[in-house]
Amino acid sequence: DSGVTQTPKHLITATGQRVTLRCSPRSGDLSVYWYQQSLDQGLQFLIQYYNGEERAKGNILERFSAQQFPDLHSELNLSSLELGDSALYFCASSARGLATYNEQFFGPGTRLTVL
Amino acid sequence: ELKVEQNPLFLSMQEGKNYTIYCNYSTTSDRLYWYRQDPGKSLESLFVLLSNGAVKQEGRLMASLDTKARLSTLHITAAVHDLSATYFCAVDGGSQGNLIFGKGTKLSVKP
Repeated sequence: DSGVTQTPKHLITATGQRVTLRCSPRSGDLSVYWYQQSLDQGLQFLIQYYNGEERAKGNILERFSAQQFPDLHSELNLSSLELGDSALYFCASSARGLATYNEQFFGPGTRLTVL
Repeated sequence: ELKVEQNPLFLSMQEGKNYTIYCNYSTTSDRLYWYRQDPGKSLESLFVLLSNGAVKQEGRLMASLDTKARLSTLHITAAVHDLSATYFCAVDGGSQGNLIFGKGTKLSVKP
């Protein structure tokens, strides 16, 4: 158990819908990262937050957005869902900013299926 | 563009055999990370290599880093079925805080 929690574990929805994925980082970690894992694209970085502020953006679609709240939990919002958005979405946290290296600890993931 | 390449992508081994997974990267990073993922599960941190020449071992797995060659290896000794999983290497994404992952090596250890 990495100490990172994610809800829900599974999500099945229809095209055009909007969903919210939730993540709580390890105790004390200020950085949260979101990744998408699909068979064809592998592990793709979406976005990073550090202590409530957006720090870096990767291959995140405009239909996707995220935020990190004062209690450090984060939410990833996916809207106007398409079939191709079906994937495993991971949240990871690290002590980046406090440590000199960036070992990231991954949550159990949310499996999103868009029908 | 920062690239991380692993080979092989698929590896079928017999129990008791040794093998090495290779990870080449294009950045000048001196930090490299190895993760393990079981099917449908999360990524588990295995090793953090922080400098040139770093070597770390855990059970039947040993990881090393050569920053001059931009190469890391994950050596498997006397494989057992429990090691069957997908192994990813990753490097720091530079000014961004993310990790850049290789495509993963799917290891299958057969009796």
